[in-house]
Amino acid sequence: KNQVEQSPQSLIILEGKNCTLQCNYTVSPFSNLRWYKQDTGRGPVSLTIMTFSENTKSNGRYTATLDADTKQSSLHITASQLSDSASYICVVSVFTGGGNKLTFGTGTQLKVEL
Amino acid sequence: DVKVTQSSRYLVKRTGEKVFLECVQDMDHENMFWYRQDPGLGLRLIYFSYDVKMKEKGDIPEGYSVSREKKERFSLILESASTNQTSMYLCASSLWTNSGNTIYFGEGSWLTVV
Repeated sequence: KNQVEQSPQSLIILEGKNCTLQCNYTVSPFSNLRWYKQDTGRGPVSLTIMTFSENTKSNGRYTATLDADTKQSSLHITASQLSDSASYICVVSVFTGGGNKLTFGTGTQLKVEL
Repeated sequence: DVKVTQSSRYLVKRTGEKVFLECVQDMDHENMFWYRQDPGLGLRLIYFSYDVKMKEKGDIPEGYSVSREKKERFSLILESASTNQTSMYLCASSLWTNSGNTIYFGEGSWLTVV
């Protein structure tokens, strides 16, 4: 069964600190991996998309890495801000006969405090 | 900016009622999706559509139907709402491509069935 597992489930950090969120997946055949940010009560917003040939991609203070060999990805947040408080969802896409199928992780809930 | 608009943010319906959730996107995307999001389960695909009048079942289609009469509009229908359909429903859209196309989400519709 294709799975996407994220860790930790939740995390509290102080404003200005860095943090790293993890995503391990077993889906196959791999197409691409996405990170989304979801504020409470809102829809997810795309942060990064990486194919198997890309091992790092940045979007401002967010940097995602991908190791397709070990099937692991991480999302690093630099100099955290209160507005970074949200759920971060890892999504892995697999090739199917009809296109790409997405498998969603359950998310890491990040809280940034003063 | 791409905009995916879900017409109802909060709904309360009675068991057995027919419920319509409407979604409109303004970027001429071929693909449209309906997901539900429940705590601890991640997003699960209900139905998707890759063209007008075309629809494909997702992972949890039971109890739901969809309609896509126009390219920009994708409706989710609960023929007879039940309490286990209380959830947050997310509509999404994307271009038709097998590469890393961004998927854009609406803000979500919170449905409570009593």
